[in-house]
Amino acid sequence: RKEVEQDPGPFNVPEGATVAFNCTYSNSASQSFFWYRQDCRKEPKLLMSVYSSGNEDGRFTAQLNRASQYISLLIRDSKLSDSATYLCVVNIGAGGFKTIFGAGTRLFVKA
Amino acid sequence: NAGVTQTPKFQVLKTGQSMTLQCAQDMNHNSMYWYRQDPGMGLRLIYYSASEGTTDKGEVPNGYNVSRLNKREFSLRLESAAPSQTSVYFCASSGRQTSQPQHFGDGTRLSIL
Repeated sequence: RKEVEQDPGPFNVPEGATVAFNCTYSNSASQSFFWYRQDCRKEPKLLMSVYSSGNEDGRFTAQLNRASQYISLLIRDSKLSDSATYLCVVNIGAGGFKTIFGAGTRLFVKA
Repeated sequence: NAGVTQTPKFQVLKTGQSMTLQCAQDMNHNSMYWYRQDPGMGLRLIYYSASEGTTDKGEVPNGYNVSRLNKREFSLRLESAAPSQTSVYFCASSGRQTSQPQHFGDGTRLSIL
C-alpha cells in the first residue's frame, strides 16, 4: 500500500463547477499536510498548507481528517486556469522527517 | 525573489558523457533535495541533504552522486549518462521544521541520446 494515495483522475469539469479531491495517508506519524499544483512539465508549486481546523484560500478549501487519515481539496467556481495536476504531500515524523508526494490527480476544466 | 535556482534549464548529452546539475537556494533552508520526474509519472527522490555536510540516498540513487557544497548549494552529478536518465530533474529545499513545505526550482530538462 502506498503511503499517500490519490485518485489519478482525470476529472473533467465545466467552468464554474465545484470539484473535490481526496487523498489518504497510511502513516499515523504524519505531521503536516500540503496541496501542490503542477502544470504540465513545470515544477510543483505550493497551493496551500492544510491545517487541523481546515482552511480556505479564495476558491480553495482544504480539510484534514486525522481520524480517517485523509485530506481533501475543494475548488469552487472552477476556472480554465485551474487545469493542472494536484499533488497531495505529507511530512511524516518530527526532527528527521520525510516528505511523501502523492502521484497526483489530473483536473481538466472545460469551457 | 529567486527562491530555488537550477542551471542549466535544458541539456542534451551523449551516452557516457558526464554532467553536473547545479542548484542554489536563497531562503536559508537547511534541507535540499533532488528529484526526477519522467513523463506521466510522479516525483522520485534521488538524493537529499538534511543539513550542510550530510547527504543521503533516496528512492533512485543509482547512477548519480551529489555534493552539498555549502548551505546554499546542492549539486547532482551524472558520471556516465545513460538514456534511462533522460528526465526532468527538480531541486527543492525546505526548512528544518516538519511544518515547512518544500519549494522547487523550475527544473532541468535533460535528454541523453
